[in-house]
Amino acid sequence: DIVMTQTPSSQAVSAGEKVTMSCKSSQSLLYSENKKNYLAWYQQKPGQSPKLLISWASTRESGVPDRFIGSGSGTDFTLTISSVQAEDLAVYYCEQYYDTPYTFGAGTKLELK
Amino acid sequence: EVQLVESGGGLVKPGSSLKLSCVASGFTFSSYGMHWIRQAPKKGLEWIALIYYDSSNKYYADSVKGRFTISRDNSKNTLYLEMNSLRSEDTAMYYCAKKLPFAYWGQGTLVTVSS
Repeated sequence: DIVMTQTPSSQAVSAGEKVTMSCKSSQSLLYSENKKNYLAWYQQKPGQSPKLLISWASTRESGVPDRFIGSGSGTDFTLTISSVQAEDLAVYYCEQYYDTPYTFGAGTKLELK
Repeated sequence: EVQLVESGGGLVKPGSSLKLSCVASGFTFSSYGMHWIRQAPKKGLEWIALIYYDSSNKYYADSVKGRFTISRDNSKNTLYLEMNSLRSEDTAMYYCAKKLPFAYWGQGTLVTVSS
């Protein structure tokens, strides 16, 4: 199984701050035939279902603010929030959909400083 | 608008069975693979099962293999998860989801396994 490791597990932030969080996979998520990374980022707020923010490591879903930026390739990925807003306080999960079993990281919780 | 509505959760005793349903609308259900994903209380997300659009292939997480069965009825736009031999560690919110990656989720149905 592909293991997804997210760091940090939690981060205290202030509004307007730039935030980065990391996700590493135990094997490459880059499929050589189409040069795509099978890596997604989700946001989950308390009491809500997860929301897909980014697919293919860096493609923002429709309606997702452009302050959310996904980057990386192979085994190392990053989600950056360029200027955190109060509504961004949530848990963020990365997920690989390269192969079954599809696996998630343990999450990074953004909290208010 | 895509809608996924789960139901069938509840409080059950260890060793018992339960069948969850997920009714889909707003898209051509019979054209898409569907998934079940669960989340234990205060824990992370765990993918547990996939069924192809035509039921030709099914995949399971090791944690549920042999105990859970995913199925679908395309005539009813409904996805199912039959859960047998339930354990306390199966206590979770169960979500159905469409598409890879998981762009659409239901609101979830809570399964509690406790004596």
